[in-house]
Amino acid sequence: DAGVIQSPRHEVTEMGQEVTLRCKPISGHNSLFWYRQTMMRGLELLIYFNNNVPIDDSGMPEDRFSAKMPNASFSTLKIQPSEPRDSAVYFCASSEGQGVGRTGELFFGEGSRLTVL
Amino acid sequence: AQKVTQAQTEISVVEKEDVTLDCVYETRDTTYYLFWYKQPPSGELVFLIRRNSFDEQNEISGRYSWNFQKSTSSFNFTITASQVVDSAVYFCALSEALTDSWGKLQFGAGTQVVVTP
Repeated sequence: DAGVIQSPRHEVTEMGQEVTLRCKPISGHNSLFWYRQTMMRGLELLIYFNNNVPIDDSGMPEDRFSAKMPNASFSTLKIQPSEPRDSAVYFCASSEGQGVGRTGELFFGEGSRLTVL
Repeated sequence: AQKVTQAQTEISVVEKEDVTLDCVYETRDTTYYLFWYKQPPSGELVFLIRRNSFDEQNEISGRYSWNFQKSTSSFNFTITASQVVDSAVYFCALSEALTDSWGKLQFGAGTQVVVTP
């Protein structure tokens, strides 16, 4: 079975450019999460969706960041305009959600490594 | 506010040695969930375990074991008879019950485990 699929795996762009990161969650999972990993701040949650609806975007650093989930099988994280401090690995993860008999496991994609020059 | 502290930045061991990773957490909630994730050199994060705050039983899974002590707010992880494949960064994480998602995680800084032959 396919896991969480992210694209691109690597992106190098110049400051001021728009960046769009894409994620396809595992089929049947109803929760989707965007995390960012940097050396300075570690792993931090940016936003998450339940049933395609954004639930908590308090981790989104600025208005330059936006995320959408138009359907159950696709989500995007957009940065416009990008800045060098946005350089990080961005992870998408999905889960079945909470409930009896569930582990609460997050299934992570391989990440998108963004470098903003 | 919740917080997860992994004081050990890096631990180096020789194969077959045991290694224990410390995790101390802070939360005001009486119900919460603790997790361990592994991040191998390939980069993706892999779920290892979830423990509920009301279940203080220790757990063993193969060479992995976890010691949850609510009295000291610790959730330590031990790898017995380490192998080179155990080389990775290990993250402890906390999720509060008030959130509607186990996936809304506060991660610790991680501990790099290096196992040499």
